[in-house]
Amino acid sequence: NAGVTQTPKFRILKIGQSMTLQCTQDMNHNYMYWYRQDPGMGLKLIYYSVGAGITDKGEVPNGYNVSRSTTEDFPLRLELAAPSQTSVYFCASMGGGQHGGYTFGSGTRLTVV
Amino acid sequence: RKEVEQDPGPFNVPEGATVAFNCTYSNSASQSFFWYRQDCRKEPKLLMSVYSSGNEDGRFTAQLNRASQYISLLIRDSKLSDSATYLCVVIKAAGNKLTFGGGTRVLVKP
Repeated sequence: NAGVTQTPKFRILKIGQSMTLQCTQDMNHNYMYWYRQDPGMGLKLIYYSVGAGITDKGEVPNGYNVSRSTTEDFPLRLELAAPSQTSVYFCASMGGGQHGGYTFGSGTRLTVV
Repeated sequence: RKEVEQDPGPFNVPEGATVAFNCTYSNSASQSFFWYRQDCRKEPKLLMSVYSSGNEDGRFTAQLNRASQYISLLIRDSKLSDSATYLCVVIKAAGNKLTFGGGTRVLVKP
């Protein structure tokens, strides 16, 4: 099992550009999450999904969009990138009943210049 | 006030020594608590859950104090490999959303 796979690992965007961060899990987990982590800070929840076709906003959703068309995939879309979106983005998944048992992807380091 | 607060450290610990640090949470209805470990530039990984009665996992001991709304992590016989950032994680009464503290950085030195 690959677990949670995130692509790309690194990306530099210019202000105003758009991109999609990909996240795929092969554990048949219902719950998936997107977090961002700024340098020296904790993780902040951007969006989450409790199952295919269902998404909801987290703590810091502005400037982002998500979709969950399949159980496996949970892409995060950045529209009109801004320097404030420079961060490390982590995708995570969890099966029902595994409270706290998040499996994280290895992260995407995004720089907006 | 932040939902989950931690002393950012760093805690500089001699190899073999014991280190302990706390995490406070603001929501008294919080139900589940965890410690995650995050190495530099890596993803967080679950270290241990925190149970009401306290629990140990090898050199690591976690405690929960609901009355004062904090959890603690104690590391005995510190190893160089224990150097990392330790994230306190809380789940509220409903749902499966985890709230992370800012992390406590621990540096174990020879």
